[in-house]
Amino acid sequence: DVKVTQSSRYLVKRTGEKVFLECVQDMDHENMFWYRQDPGLGLRLIYFSYDVKMKEKGDIPEGYSVSREKKERFSLILESASTNQTSMYLCASRSDWTRSSYEQYFGPGTRLTVT
Amino acid sequence: GENVEQHPSTLSVQEGDSAVIKCTYSDSASNYFPWYKQELGKRPQLIIDIRSNVGEKKDQRIAVTLNKTAKHFSLHITETQPEDSAVYFCAASIRERGNQFYFGTGTSLTVIP
Repeated sequence: DVKVTQSSRYLVKRTGEKVFLECVQDMDHENMFWYRQDPGLGLRLIYFSYDVKMKEKGDIPEGYSVSREKKERFSLILESASTNQTSMYLCASRSDWTRSSYEQYFGPGTRLTVT
Repeated sequence: GENVEQHPSTLSVQEGDSAVIKCTYSDSASNYFPWYKQELGKRPQLIIDIRSNVGEKKDQRIAVTLNKTAKHFSLHITETQPEDSAVYFCAASIRERGNQFYFGTGTSLTVIP
């Protein structure tokens, strides 16, 4: 019963490449999020979106951009990948606060290695 | 913005003992506090949450307490089992449109059989 999916589990890219990470949710959630997870640093928010075509910067947006053209899909873009962007990337989605459940559902993660 | 601190970063307990993880938050407007469990190689999953109008919530061996005055909340796991071994994340949020979860840095819990 997978509800949030990510396009790749593992990805290897070269420095300077443009990288696209895709996330799709099937729960009709308004809110979607991109995090990166690094040992000892927990879950750091890169960008989030609370509606189609809307986006907000998180704590570490530098070097990233996002796109949300459809409600179910939220893309993370690395314009020019660098080695310090090697990390685990987690997508998540959540319903609006007006619904009874406020649980945030995570995708399986994409482990990106930039060489 | 909100700042969530989580302690300890690592915790080892003997099977059957209790484990306690503590978090503090800075924004008194925060009113929703979830706890997520991430097993090795898996995605984080919600295990329990509490809203600011409640001081304690329990679900079988797991309980969460909230002290709004002191701005801290804790996760309590009783009768720990090896399958409780995981990384646990606390978070704080304001239950309104367009607001994010602010996560702690995680606690790696190891239950020794």
